Amino acid sequence: GAGVSQSPSNKVTEKGKDVELRCDPISGHTALYWYRQRLGQGLEFLIYFQGNSAPDKSGLPSDRFSAERTGESVSTLTIQRTQQEDSAVYLCASRASSLAGGRFFGPGTRLTVL
Amino acid sequence: QQQVKQSPQSLIVQKGGISIINCAYENTAFDYFPWYQQFPGKGPALLIAIRPDVSEKKEGRFTISFNKSAKQFSLHIMDSQPGDSATYFCAASIEGQGAQKLVFGQGTRLTINP
Repeated sequence: GAGVSQSPSNKVTEKGKDVELRCDPISGHTALYWYRQRLGQGLEFLIYFQGNSAPDKSGLPSDRFSAERTGESVSTLTIQRTQQEDSAVYLCASRASSLAGGRFFGPGTRLTVL
Repeated sequence: QQQVKQSPQSLIVQKGGISIINCAYENTAFDYFPWYQQFPGKGPALLIAIRPDVSEKKEGRFTISFNKSAKQFSLHIMDSQPGDSATYFCAASIEGQGAQKLVFGQGTRLTINP
């Protein structure tokens, strides 16, 4: 596709359930980021993938959060045992390489934990 | 030291006026300063960016002014239009090193009155 896509666009879940969010980056983009945006707040960095290098997980808020990416394709962000404070918009961005180009954001997944 | 402080939180400007949003940072290692525009329900989109070797960058009605000694940068929107109504985020990163994680400001909700 022409841009970064994310699915689902909205997810409502009950506290304690696991959720999986998907990001399809722009084809050929080697770098992929996940960010979290709480209501009325700026974006918080969660995790970064660059090619086949080990991911930078320094932004993950707890061990309930994990993410995977196979090669330079789709990435999934998994939140286990969701809590109400996990409610936010989760944004994915991709970039052509680690040293060039702007980051292109997807529309996000709005997660609501009841 | 990783924070970027943005002000004001919200701004109302009359059509045709100048909108000014300010950001300040602490980490002198930051070397890339983008501004993002976000419409409701959409991901942030890169608007304009500057590196610290220049004091000003202009693209159409949008200008970034950069003051390295004061560690401040600002976005000016000339001849503001109702279509400019959106949330604007400043950000900063250290390029060419690791994940080049963008650190975002808290955002400014801009409303342009017709």
